[in-house]
Amino acid sequence: GAVVSQHPSWVICKSGTSVKIECRSLDFQATTMFWYRQFPKQSLMLMATSNEGSKATYEQGVEKDKFLINHASLTLSTLTVTSAHPEDSSFYICSAAPGASGMYEQYFGPGTRLTVT
Amino acid sequence: DAKTTQPPSMDCAEGRAANLPCNHSTISGNEYVYWYRQIHSQGPQYIIHGLKNNETNEMASLIITEDRKSSTLILPHATLRDTAVYYCIVTPGGGNKLTFGTGTQLKVEL
Repeated sequence: GAVVSQHPSWVICKSGTSVKIECRSLDFQATTMFWYRQFPKQSLMLMATSNEGSKATYEQGVEKDKFLINHASLTLSTLTVTSAHPEDSSFYICSAAPGASGMYEQYFGPGTRLTVT
Repeated sequence: DAKTTQPPSMDCAEGRAANLPCNHSTISGNEYVYWYRQIHSQGPQYIIHGLKNNETNEMASLIITEDRKSSTLILPHATLRDTAVYYCIVTPGGGNKLTFGTGTQLKVEL
């Protein structure tokens, strides 16, 4: 149990285009979902926290108009990278926190590798 | 969230126990100690967490000192598949965000 999926697993897009990444909790309801970014040989950096039905909370330095996050249901959150540029190329990872009482761990998706050319 | 300190790298022979230390001297009373690992190019995987008592599951054991200022993750019989970056994180848990440090690169060798 407690599986989180991401789609696509990798994507290549041209500079200036937008890319949408989906994060789904497959067998539990996720009250809260998180989006991280990881550059090569670096640790995960939290980008934003999203709660179902409300606006996402972005970390300092993350442009909310560039990284659009939607958490429309308890099993789906999406991250849209708008007007992507080569510096946005990175490994994007989501995680989901079950809202069930007693379940304190977060479960991570397999990640999406974005390459902007 | 409290900051953690981990050695950057460790080596372990396959079949032996891997003991990964973590210092978290500024941990608050309501903060848990979580361990995650990340195998290359994959999403992090939850391993174990604890508040003050030692914990054990099918993957590992977590030993927390009585003053809660440090902990040790123990993989009892390391295999090559345990080669990964291991992250020790302290957080109130649940829906709270995780702050990843640099972790410990564990390399399990034959």
